[in-house]
Amino acid sequence: HVQLQESGPGLVKPSGTLSLTCAVSGGSINSKKWWGWVRQPPGKGLEWIGEIHHSGSTNYNPSLKRRVTILVDKSKNQFSLNLRHVTAADTAVYYCSREYFFWGQGTLVTVSS
Amino acid sequence: DVVMTQSPLSLPVTLGQPASFSCRSSQSLVHSDGNTYLNWFHQRPGQSPRRLIYMVSNRDPGVPDRFSGSGSGTDFTLKISRVEAEDVGIYYCMQGTHWPLTFGGGTKVEIK
Repeated sequence: HVQLQESGPGLVKPSGTLSLTCAVSGGSINSKKWWGWVRQPPGKGLEWIGEIHHSGSTNYNPSLKRRVTILVDKSKNQFSLNLRHVTAADTAVYYCSREYFFWGQGTLVTVSS
Repeated sequence: DVVMTQSPLSLPVTLGQPASFSCRSSQSLVHSDGNTYLNWFHQRPGQSPRRLIYMVSNRDPGVPDRFSGSGSGTDFTLKISRVEAEDVGIYYCMQGTHWPLTFGGGTKVEIK
């Protein structure tokens, strides 16, 4: 049974970089699956951020593409999200997922000075 | 981007009665491989989304058979045959045919 766990700072300053990691257990990041990030601003709906395949191929939401990087770290069985130049509009619960079936519990990231 | 429009926004339901939600896409969700990548999720307050249905009508493991999905092209429906108390929350559709993947705005289900 695959489990995902997000980790990272809960508070990021405006114009800074949001960096999150998703640790995968009960399965290998090397499996031929897509590993994605989805976010949810407080009280709002779900927004797809992007995804990465075990091969390294990525797809990003064009609305965030210039600011987003998703990487896989096979040695640690995890993948990561970097979102640069953040503003208050990036405040959200961030979820990691394997093919949108297995999900992490989510982590709230607040952008504030 | 493909716009996913869900209706109604809110749905008061009676325990034991059926419920139905609609999801419409701004363009066909039929992929070039012939499949239609339309998913349904359920999210309870404070919890992660849980996928219920994939590819229009396939129930995920552990999903009760009172949930069923149907539709084609641009019009899709999720039905609950008999609503139970645990079914409250928000239901989202998501299309996986076209990048970027997009979600509907959700239908909030509450017990009357």
